Amino acid sequence: GENVEQHPSTLSVQEGDSAVIKCTYSDSASNYFPWYKQELGKRPQLIIDIRSNVGEKKDQRIAVTLNKTAKHFSLHITETQPEDSAVYFCAASNEGFQKLVFGTGTRLLVSP
Amino acid sequence: NAGVTQTPKFRVLKTGQSMTLLCAQDMNHEYMYWYRQDPGMGLRLIHYSVGEGTTAKGEVPDGYNVSRLKKQNFLLGLESAAPSQTSVYFCASSSGTGKSHFGNGTRLTVT
Repeated sequence: GENVEQHPSTLSVQEGDSAVIKCTYSDSASNYFPWYKQELGKRPQLIIDIRSNVGEKKDQRIAVTLNKTAKHFSLHITETQPEDSAVYFCAASNEGFQKLVFGTGTRLLVSP
Repeated sequence: NAGVTQTPKFRVLKTGQSMTLLCAQDMNHEYMYWYRQDPGMGLRLIHYSVGEGTTAKGEVPDGYNVSRLKKQNFLLGLESAAPSQTSVYFCASSSGTGKSHFGNGTRLTVT
């Protein structure tokens, strides 16, 4: 089955810096790659996603890139703000989007 | 439009007791999922359903059972709770586009 690895497990940046979180997946049939943000004590919420027919997608300060050949995808956050502090999860899905396999999460801390 | 609603929010069980967690969604989604979240291990899929009357095993199904008698509801049961099942449980639903909507979670402690 699919296996998703996520790095780093923790990431500390200064406000205004950029943050990059990387994930690799094992199943070449995976074709959907969402990113979720989970604030402390809250539910995971989708922040951006990308499908395998697209190499990059942007939404304001966040972007996701996908390299299908290398089977890895990354989340980029620019101009980080303290409210970006949270745990971020990547995931991969195939089988007609029936199941998501999640990475183990990255705790991002943005210091003022 | 409440989205995905989980009940209860908190529960404490003694080893060997049973319980049922209820998940309800009002988005007419076909797919529903139960995950558990443990520190450092992300979200792991317990069971899922691709439609009313169907269920399937996920990554960590042992010790849990599920039922999807109605499209809007997905129940997770623990027949004989064990301390290893102490976790935060999340339900999610999806229309099949891949975008999953999560409930607020249930924090379960088994002593």
